[in-house]
Order: sequence, then C-alpha cells, then structure tokens
Amino acid sequence: DTEVTQTPKHLVMGMTNKKSLKCEQHMGHRAMYWYKQKAKKPPELMFVYSYEKLSINESVPSRFSPECPNSSLLNLHLHALQPEDSALYLCASSTRVDYEQYFGPGTRLTVT
Amino acid sequence: GESVGLHLPTLSVQEGDNSIINCAYSNSASDYFIWYKQESGKGPQFIIDIRSNMDKRQGQRVTVLLNKTVKHLSLQIAATQPGDSAVYFCAERKEEGGGNKLTFGTGTQLKVEL
Repeated sequence: DTEVTQTPKHLVMGMTNKKSLKCEQHMGHRAMYWYKQKAKKPPELMFVYSYEKLSINESVPSRFSPECPNSSLLNLHLHALQPEDSALYLCASSTRVDYEQYFGPGTRLTVT
Repeated sequence: GESVGLHLPTLSVQEGDNSIINCAYSNSASDYFIWYKQESGKGPQFIIDIRSNMDKRQGQRVTVLLNKTVKHLSLQIAATQPGDSAVYFCAERKEEGGGNKLTFGTGTQLKVEL
C-alpha cells in the first residue's frame, strides 16, 4: 500500500460544530503532517508528528487540535471554526522528517 | 524574510516541447529541495528531489537543476504532454525548532496546448 488516505473528502460544518478529519497510511512512515491550502496558494504547514510525538506546531489556533493515536493514523479535531478556516486540508507522511513527503488527496472543508 | 518564490505564475507550452519551471530561494541553509505537481482536486504529488550537495538530478522525462551560487532551482520537463498540465511547486527543507520544515513556493501553473 503506497497511499495516504484521507476522510472525509468533503466536509461542511457550522461554526459551533465539532468534527474530525482522519488520515491513514500503511507505508510504515514515522512522520506525519497536516497542511492547510487555500485556493491558488501553496500548502502551509500546520503540524508535524515524528514517532507519534508532536514536533512542530506552526502557531496554529487551538480550535485545531491534532492527534496521532498510532504510527498509521493522524487526526485533526475541529471545534468552533471560522469561515476563513475553509480550505483544503492535506495530510502527508514520510519515512522520517527529513525524507520526501507523500500527500493524501485532502479534505475540502467549508465552514458556514 | 526568507522565502521560496517562482518567477512565472503561468507557463504555456505546446505539446511535445520542453518546459522549464524556475524557482528562486533565499535560505542558504536549506539542504534539500523537492518539486511537486498538483493536479486540480488532488494533493501534491512528489516528482523529484535534489540535495544541496548535487547540482543536477534526472528522472523519467524530468531534470532538476540546482545553482547554489544564485540560489536558483529549475525543473525541466522533456516532451511535455497534456497530462503534465498542473500547478508545480518547489519546496525547500530547513531544520527548525528541532524538526525539518518544508516551505513551498508560490507555484507555477503549467498549461499544455495541443
């Protein structure tokens, strides 16, 4: 299996909702990442997990809460989001943090 | 501040021609560079990478050139095909806060004309 999968593909949520994004890989990668991408812009790093421990948090607001339950899974918990948080959320993984990253297809999030 | 940027936002080429996508970087401490291709509605796809101790690397129909003197990176695509139409991002890696961080450039839209 050489894929990074993300669910759901699309998500619409209100500003008072709580939802979670899920990312999974079975390539044995020990580094996983969350990125946010706005239309016609490059991906922006949000979080980096290395060996299931958070190693980088790019000053992301606390309404985004990452979780790495095991080496194959990465979640992003969402609460009290704002409309400007609407974007494509990408998950990536790599063998280690200093190797090339492989991206999933993303979750298109719309906050109403 | 330090940044990774691209010279051209849109590049149009005829099918069969060679494409050259350029990228300027300003962080001399970056040791690793990657080119990604992103098709509409998809996540970025790894194309090719190069480490700072190299000046050229070739893949299948693609070549990456690194000029550290002028901090310039380029991606050459030979015999461009319609399937090459996408946005291309260069990315640089640098160590930060105990981990390695990948910073993406602004992207170039490649359009292949039949």
